[in-house]
Amino acid sequence: NAGVTQTPKFRVLKTGQSMTLLCAQDMNHEYMYWYRQDPGMGLRLIHYSVGEGTTAKGEVPDGYNVSRLKKQNFLLGLESAAPSQTSVYFCASRVARDGTDTQYFGPGTRLTVL
Amino acid sequence: GIQVEQSPPDLILQEGANSTLRCNFSDSVNNLQWFHQNPWGQLINLFYIPSGTKQNGRLSATTVATERYSLLYISSSQTTDSGVYFCAVEGTGRRALTFGSGTRLQVQP
Repeated sequence: NAGVTQTPKFRVLKTGQSMTLLCAQDMNHEYMYWYRQDPGMGLRLIHYSVGEGTTAKGEVPDGYNVSRLKKQNFLLGLESAAPSQTSVYFCASRVARDGTDTQYFGPGTRLTVL
Repeated sequence: GIQVEQSPPDLILQEGANSTLRCNFSDSVNNLQWFHQNPWGQLINLFYIPSGTKQNGRLSATTVATERYSLLYISSSQTTDSGVYFCAVEGTGRRALTFGSGTRLQVQP
């Protein structure tokens, strides 16, 4: 099991450029999430998905779009990057079964927008 | 939305010392998890504990849901315990965790 993987690990963009971050999980989890973490802060929810073909907005969705065409993949898109989107982005998947609930995180993508 | 407050924001310990981290939340929750973010940024789930007490080695956690707080205990701390500890909660009817701002722990040898 690779768990939750994220591609790429690092990226530098210029203002106005677009990009897509890929999150993949091989644990057959229904729920997936995208968070951003700014220096010295906690994680803020951008978008999430409760199953293939579904998406929902989190706390800070503006400037981002997502798609969940396959259960194992959750894509985060930036259509026109801004310096305020410089952050570390974490993807997570989650499973609730047998009386427990566990969220697994990917290693993160460090994005810098110049 | 639900508010999550963690205290203290920063904590420095000598190796071998014990510590208690606190998480207060503003509304009823059906899910509470504790995470550790190591110095390299990796986030690991420590506990799922919407109520009651759990223990895992030197770590234990207690949630008193009726009083809206949770405590994470670290005993006999080691340098590898360093990092940031996050509490995250999910309100009734929600499907996503809200994270606190974390407690940054530094364990010195």
